[in-house]
Amino acid sequence: GAGVSQSPSNKVTEKGKDVELRCDPISGHTALYWYRQSLGQGLEFLIYFQGNSAPDKSGLPSDRFSAERTGGSVSTLTIQRTQQEDSAVYLCASSLMDSTDTQYFGPGTRLTVL
Amino acid sequence: GEDVEQSLFLSVREGDSSVINCTYTDSSSTYLYWYKQEPGAGLQLLTYIFSNMDMKQDQRLTVLLNKKDKHLSLRIADTQTGDSAIYFCAEKDRNTGKLIFGQGTTLQVKP
Repeated sequence: GAGVSQSPSNKVTEKGKDVELRCDPISGHTALYWYRQSLGQGLEFLIYFQGNSAPDKSGLPSDRFSAERTGGSVSTLTIQRTQQEDSAVYLCASSLMDSTDTQYFGPGTRLTVL
Repeated sequence: GEDVEQSLFLSVREGDSSVINCTYTDSSSTYLYWYKQEPGAGLQLLTYIFSNMDMKQDQRLTVLLNKKDKHLSLRIADTQTGDSAIYFCAEKDRNTGKLIFGQGTTLQVKP
C-alpha cells in the first residue's frame, strides 16, 4: 500500500517568508509525528498528533512553528518568518498505535532558507 | 533525560559482518528500533525488538539487546555495498510515544 508522502520534496525560501509543509500519513494510522533533521542537531522530535487528543507540541523550537492535522489525516507544518537556522529536512511519520507502535517515515521535505 | 548514543562511523569490506552499537538510557523503553537512511532519502524501518527479548534475527540482520547494560547492537551479515547508509537506533519515549534517536552511524562498505 501507499506509504507516508510529503510535499514539496524541496523548498527554497527567503528569510522572513512563511512556508507550509504537508504530510499525508498511511491510511488508517491514527498517530502522526513531525521530526526535524539538521546537521548540528541530528533528528529532533517536533510535534505529535494522536486521534482527537490535544497535540504534544513540546518539541517545537519556537512560536514561529505550528502544525495542524485536519480530519485526523493530512497534517501541515507551518513555519512563519523563516530563519536560516530553520534549514533542515523535515520528516513526517505515522503509526497505527498498535502493540509495536512502529513509526513509518515519509521521504522528507528539504527546506533551505536563504 | 533520555539519551541514545552511537558511534559515528564504521567501515567494513564487502562480505564481512558489520556490527553497529547503540546505548540508551531509558530502562522502561518497551521497543527499540533500527532505521536505515540512504543519501537523500527518508528513514526506512529495518527492524525492532521488544525489550523483553534478547535477540531477534531477520534474514541478514541480527539485533542483540542487553537490557542490563542498556546496549543494543545491529549485526549485518555478508555486508554488501548497497548496505552503505546511515543507521539510526531509536528508543520510544514511554509517555509520549516520540522516538529518541541516536546520532546515526555511517556505514561505509568497501568493495
